[in-house]
Amino acid sequence: SQTIHQWPATLVQPVGSPLSLECTVEGTSNPNLYWYRQAAGRGLQLLFYSVGIGQISSEVPQNLSASRPQDRQFILSSKKLLLSDSGFYLCAWREFSMRGEQYFGPGTRLTVT
Amino acid sequence: AQSVTQLGSHVSVSEGALVLLRCNYSSSVPPYLFWYVQYPNQGLQLLLKYTSAATLVKGINGFEAEFKKSETSFHLTKPSAHMSDAAEYFCAVRNQAGTALIFGKGTTLSVSS
Repeated sequence: SQTIHQWPATLVQPVGSPLSLECTVEGTSNPNLYWYRQAAGRGLQLLFYSVGIGQISSEVPQNLSASRPQDRQFILSSKKLLLSDSGFYLCAWREFSMRGEQYFGPGTRLTVT
Repeated sequence: AQSVTQLGSHVSVSEGALVLLRCNYSSSVPPYLFWYVQYPNQGLQLLLKYTSAATLVKGINGFEAEFKKSETSFHLTKPSAHMSDAAEYFCAVRNQAGTALIFGKGTTLSVSS
């Protein structure tokens, strides 16, 4: 069966510091991968998605970036965090053949101070 | 363009009462629709999906949803609420390109004893 991992689970970072969140999927090949952010009271915001290694689509311009160095690894980064980057970050995957449903990881709670 | 509207950001019911969470969608193509549940500080879990088969869809934990094309609705119901149903619920529609999901803003369900 497929599983999705995210780490760290929680993170407290000062403004201006760098960020690296990692997501890995097991038990599937060539998945579509997604990063979402969930801010308090604002629902889910799609940040990036990837259909393959090195292929990244950005949905919202901001100081975040994403990379996919391996088939089942998706990384969210920032060079300098802003207070507004605080939130709950969720990684998700889906198989190309699936009819759209995505499966989510446990999330990372980021607090920028 | 696809969009989702969830009516009511907060719904309160008593234990044993009917649960009804409303979702209306807009789609320029036959929609694929989904309901997800999120417990505090966890990722999203797929409850059920509609992918153009039966209009009444049964999901996990006793939930079901009915696709009504004429009303562009996909409301989520459960005959008898349980305390463990207290969570946030998200309705989603697949985008036209089939690459991502578009989520509603969510409905928080509270269950009182």
